Parts: sequence; structure tokens; C-alpha cells
Amino acid sequence: AQSVTQPDIHITVSEGASLELRCNYSYGATPYLFWYVQSPGQGLQLLLKYFSGDTLVQGIKGFEAEFKRSQSSFNLRKPSVHWSDAAEYFCAVATRNNAGNMLTFGGGTRLMVKP
Amino acid sequence: DAGITQSPRYKITETGRQVTLMCHQTWSHSYMFWYRQDLGHGLRLIYYSAAADITDKGEVPDGYVVSRSKTENFPLTLESATRSQTSVYFCASSQGTAKNIQYFGAGTRLSVL
Repeated sequence: AQSVTQPDIHITVSEGASLELRCNYSYGATPYLFWYVQSPGQGLQLLLKYFSGDTLVQGIKGFEAEFKRSQSSFNLRKPSVHWSDAAEYFCAVATRNNAGNMLTFGGGTRLMVKP
Repeated sequence: DAGITQSPRYKITETGRQVTLMCHQTWSHSYMFWYRQDLGHGLRLIYYSAAADITDKGEVPDGYVVSRSKTENFPLTLESATRSQTSVYFCASSQGTAKNIQYFGAGTRLSVL
């Protein structure tokens, strides 16, 4: 069965600093990978997704993520963080043979932004 | 442009009571999902439905019941609520295959006293 690990439960960065959130997955083949963001009191919003092709994918709000097959990773990055980026971020995986279209989520990383 | 709506947004109930959380989507998506969100666990799938009258268990189905008589509605029932079911519940919908994005409702915060 697939699994997703987000090693950092909390991360604090200063506004304007760069950001990298880590995500490692466990699956035998190339999965479909997603990053979602959850603002306080809100549901989850898709930031970006990777299915195939270019391993560097661009998303909304200036985020990008890089798929590295050799490291089973799909880390999320942003060059300059804004105070409005404070939220919880979830990495998720869907398997290609998953007729049920089910997502497996990591435990989440809560991002705090210092002024 | 309603999208996917959950009701109620907040609910307090007592141990042993039955409670139903509602989920409604306006996109005619085939798939609908119920997740629970707990600290340190991320989101875990409770039940999902591939179409009307087709439902299946997810990772943590015990203590929950679902039904899907209409494509647009997917209620989740806790037949006899327990304190361990205190959580935030999210409903999501999707068009189908693993490539399709899941769209989430705003969640229901449930407290079982």
C-alpha cells in the first residue's frame, strides 16, 4: 500500500525567505502526486499536481514542486514567502491503478510566517 | 457556483447519540469521499462512493454509515457517537479517475462530549 510522509510537522520562516516543505512517498511505481493547502477554518485547495513529464511543476500562488524518482520525494518550494502563505500543507498520492480514485495524505506541515 | 457544501459547520453532540453530517455537490461528480482530519494523521478516508447506490469502505470506516441515493448528496452518519469520533470531517468530490482533482468542502467540526 502507498504511504506519504511529511517529516516536518511545523515550520516557521520569515516573510520574504524561501521555503521548502518535504514530502516522501512510498509506492512501487510512479504515482500521481498532489500538494494541497488548508487555510485556517477552510477546506483543502489544490496547489499543484504531478502526473508525468517535466519533473518540475508549477502551481498557484507562486509555488512549485519537484518530483525526484530516485529519492521518492515531491518537495514543495516557494522562493519568497508571504504572510498569507501561513497555512497547513498536505502532500497526497494517488496510484495509477486506483479505480477508486483514492488519495493517501501525509500528516501535514503547518507553516508559520514571521513578519 | 455553489460547488460542494457541508452542513452543519459545527456540531456538538453527546456520546451515544446519532448524528448525520451532510454533503452536497452541484457539479454532478461521480465520486464523493468522506475524510476525517486529526492532528498528526492528516486526512484519512472513511468512505467513498463511485456513483449513486455504490459505496465502499476507506481506511477508517468503523462506527460510520453512508448512503448515496442521489448523485449530489453523500451523508455521513455516526450511529452512536463516541469521543474518539471528535474530529473535523471533510467531504470531497471528483469526476473519477486517479488523475481527477478532488474538490473539498469547508469541513464540519464535530465535538462528542
